[in-house]
Amino acid sequence: DTAVSQTPKYLVTQMGNDKSIKCEQNLGHDTMYWYKQDSKKFLKIMFSYNNKELIINETVPNRFSPKSPDKAHLNLHINSLELGDSAVYFCASSQGAATAYEQYFGPGTRLTVT
Amino acid sequence: KNQVEQSPQSLIILEGKNCTLQCNYTVSPFSNLRWYKQDTGRGPVSLTIMTFSENTKSNGRYTATLDADTKQSSLHITASQLSDSASYICVVSAAGGYNKLIFGAGTRLAVHP
Repeated sequence: DTAVSQTPKYLVTQMGNDKSIKCEQNLGHDTMYWYKQDSKKFLKIMFSYNNKELIINETVPNRFSPKSPDKAHLNLHINSLELGDSAVYFCASSQGAATAYEQYFGPGTRLTVT
Repeated sequence: KNQVEQSPQSLIILEGKNCTLQCNYTVSPFSNLRWYKQDTGRGPVSLTIMTFSENTKSNGRYTATLDADTKQSSLHITASQLSDSASYICVVSAAGGYNKLIFGAGTRLAVHP
């Protein structure tokens, strides 16, 4: 059973399009995250939700909008896609929002904007 | 500025050999330090997590050390296997806030037969 799953795994789209990436966790965690891994391989936090409430919102263009319909799901919608949005996006979850909790990562979604 | 730096950037070793990866950080105030393994095309998987009071932790053939005074950590891999080929990422979280992880760029390890 996959603990943290993401769909799609690969996404190729053109500039200007709008796309969504979905994330689901079956670990019973109440905190979920979106990360972006750029070409230099750095993973950077974008957003975090705890019990469906936004708790971390890094300096991310407002073209990116996370949505958490329930504690098990955190989706990422991206408007007006740009070339620089090409990256691998990882979803993660943890039991709580404190720094002591381990984060479990999904397999990633490779987004390519042409 | 909170940063995590790792060295070397990449490393090639022969199967069965040992290796040590390095991590320096400037994150303050410090909460904990983790080492993750990331296989190609997969998400990171946690190997160890250490708090301020811990200076060594093992997970099978992986042993992590932490010197909180010098803000350095190392990951030692013993008797390497082909399946150890991956990126190893040092991750530090700061105290006093939410679980915001600061990632290093990783060391790309290739184990050759």
